[in-house]
Amino acid sequence: GQQVMQIPQYQHVQEGEDFTTYCNSSTTLSNIQWYKQRPGGHPVFLIQLVKSGEVKKQKRLTFQFGEAKKNSSLHITATQTTDVGTYFCAGRASGSARQLTFGSGTQLTVLP
Amino acid sequence: KAGVTQTPRYLIKTRGQQVTLSCSPISGHRSVSWYQQTPGQGLQFLFEYFSETQRNKGNFPGRFSGRQFSNSRSEMNVSTLELGDSALYLCASSPQFERTGELFFGEGSRLTVL
Repeated sequence: GQQVMQIPQYQHVQEGEDFTTYCNSSTTLSNIQWYKQRPGGHPVFLIQLVKSGEVKKQKRLTFQFGEAKKNSSLHITATQTTDVGTYFCAGRASGSARQLTFGSGTQLTVLP
Repeated sequence: KAGVTQTPRYLIKTRGQQVTLSCSPISGHRSVSWYQQTPGQGLQFLFEYFSETQRNKGNFPGRFSGRQFSNSRSEMNVSTLELGDSALYLCASSPQFERTGELFFGEGSRLTVL
């Protein structure tokens, strides 16, 4: 079945440093989504990428979808303490309306 | 607009018991998905319902079952509970069953099996 792998599992950064998490799928994706889960909270949708090579920005967050539509990344510039949480990618296999498969997440800790 | 509502929020069961969790999607949303979240395992897909029909199912044993009602509310049931079933069970809704579109998650039901 479809597998979505995400690295790193944990990342500690000093406030102001950059952060990147990577997501790789075993199959080609029709789209990829990113979610953020704050400690004790539930996942909240951040963005969806659909096109090959697509790059989207949300303030300090930059999202990329690979040319082959099998990988993606999330980059945060100049992290803040409010960025703390677990970031999940989630992909839906192309070709049919299959379920959204989540990566294992990257837990970000920002040290003040 | 009210969000996704899950009940109960917390529950404690013992091995061998069964449990039923409930999910009320956002008004107008017809697709409901269920996920199991355990530390270090991310979100594992359980099943997805649309128009009272199970459209997709994850790799969980038959002890895990679900259903959706005509008002789009959904329930999931776990029978013969095992210690490893302790987890946060998340329900998510979306307007339609489709290839794109974000999921709106509820706060989850935290199940502890003793």
